[in-house]
Amino acid sequence: GAGVSQSPSNKVTEKGKDVELRCDPISGHTALYWYRQSLGQGLEFLIYFQGNSAPDKSGLPSDRFSAERTGGSVSTLTIQRTQQEDSAVYLCASSLAGGHAGELFFGEGSRLTVL
Amino acid sequence: GIQVEQSPPDLILQEGANSTLRCNFSDSVNNLQWFHQNPWGQLINLFYIPSGTKQNGRLSATTVATERYSLLYISSSQTTDSGVYFCAVERSFGNEKLTFGTGTRLTIIP
Repeated sequence: GAGVSQSPSNKVTEKGKDVELRCDPISGHTALYWYRQSLGQGLEFLIYFQGNSAPDKSGLPSDRFSAERTGGSVSTLTIQRTQQEDSAVYLCASSLAGGHAGELFFGEGSRLTVL
Repeated sequence: GIQVEQSPPDLILQEGANSTLRCNFSDSVNNLQWFHQNPWGQLINLFYIPSGTKQNGRLSATTVATERYSLLYISSSQTTDSGVYFCAVERSFGNEKLTFGTGTRLTIIP
């Protein structure tokens, strides 16, 4: 596609429910990144994919967080048993380069609110 | 991990003024990007500048990799320049992810 597409743009859920966030990267981009931005804060790295594999999962905050990428394209970030501290904007980015990060292009984010 | 510090944290300027934003980093890098996050939260690429100088209209950037800093210059500021400016770097030797600074919040007053 023309740009990185994320859905949903907004999600309100109750504490304890599971949520799935989707990212569709720019066509042909092999690298895909998930970041999290809490209100008024900077961006926190979560996980990085090169193709379908995840060489770096170091930023996932707990085992309630998981992500997968299929067909070297779409990625899904899943948060199980959501907590209020999970409320944030989840940003996805993709880049063309492999072997180093290259120039990243971000989607508009998915705003998650856990009540 | 690599540390990325941006200064100043906040900047308030009159429309038409010029500004310089600074990004210091603690290790050698092979990738550096500047982003503008607009009031709606969208991150917009400004420069991909691991070294050297680039210009795009009223904006320009310089990275001196050997001294571990980058500067973003904004001239003749407009109200649409308001938002948060982030510097992000990738450490050399296979780190493969961008680490973001804490940002500079720029407010341009008409």
